Amino acid sequence: GAVVSQHPSWVICKSGTSVKIECRSLDFQATTMFWYRQFPKKSLMLMATSNEGSKATYEQGVEKDKFLINHASLTLSTLTVTSAHPEDSSFYICSARGGGRALYEQYFGPGTRLTVT
Amino acid sequence: QKEVEQNSGPLSVPEGAIASLNCTYSDRGSQSFFWYRQYSGKSPELIMFIYSNGDKEDGRFTAQLNKASQYVSLLIRDSQPSDSATYLCAVGSGNQFYFGTGTSLTVIP
Repeated sequence: GAVVSQHPSWVICKSGTSVKIECRSLDFQATTMFWYRQFPKKSLMLMATSNEGSKATYEQGVEKDKFLINHASLTLSTLTVTSAHPEDSSFYICSARGGGRALYEQYFGPGTRLTVT
Repeated sequence: QKEVEQNSGPLSVPEGAIASLNCTYSDRGSQSFFWYRQYSGKSPELIMFIYSNGDKEDGRFTAQLNKASQYVSLLIRDSQPSDSATYLCAVGSGNQFYFGTGTSLTVIP
C-alpha cells in the first residue's frame, strides 16, 4: 500500500506552547488529507479534512483557531496545536488519499502522541 | 447523519477458528468499503477494501459486501493470536469517509 509518514512520533510540551505535526505522503500525491485524534480505548474522531491548496473543513466542535491545518503541497499537510493545554493530550493521526493506487483508499500515518504538561 | 455501526465486542475466538466481523451502514449511496486493523497504541492499517457486491479474498481474509442489505463483513480464517486487535469498518461516500467504532477481537491460543 501507499506510505504515509508523520513527524514527530511523540512530543511532550508545556502548557501554553504550540506544537506542529507533519504528515507526508511518501510515494503518492495526496489530494486529500485527514486529521484524526484518538483517546485511549476510544474510536477515531475526525477533526478536519483538507484538500491541497484550499482551506481545511473542520468537523463540528473542532476549533479551527486552535487546530491550524495547512495542506500546502500534494505531499505535505501540517497540524499545529496552538496554546496547547493538558486536555489536548491525545494520539493524533493523519491519513491521506490521492491518485493512482491511493485513489479511493485512505492510508494512515503512524500517529503522533502528544502529551501536554 | 451517515452512520456506520459495528458490534464493539469483545469478540473472542479460539486459535484456528474463523472470526466473523460485521458492519452495517446507513447511506445507500456509499461506494467504497474498507476494513482496517488497529493494534493498541498504533494507527489503523488498511487490510481489505471492496467496491462491488460479493466476496473478495486476500489470503486468510475475505470481505463480503451486500449493498442491498447495506452490510459488509470481514472473515478471518485460521485466526492467529497476532490477529488480536480492533477492526474498524469504514465506508466511503464521495470524498467522505465514515468509520465505525470498531470491534475488538481476541484470538485465544
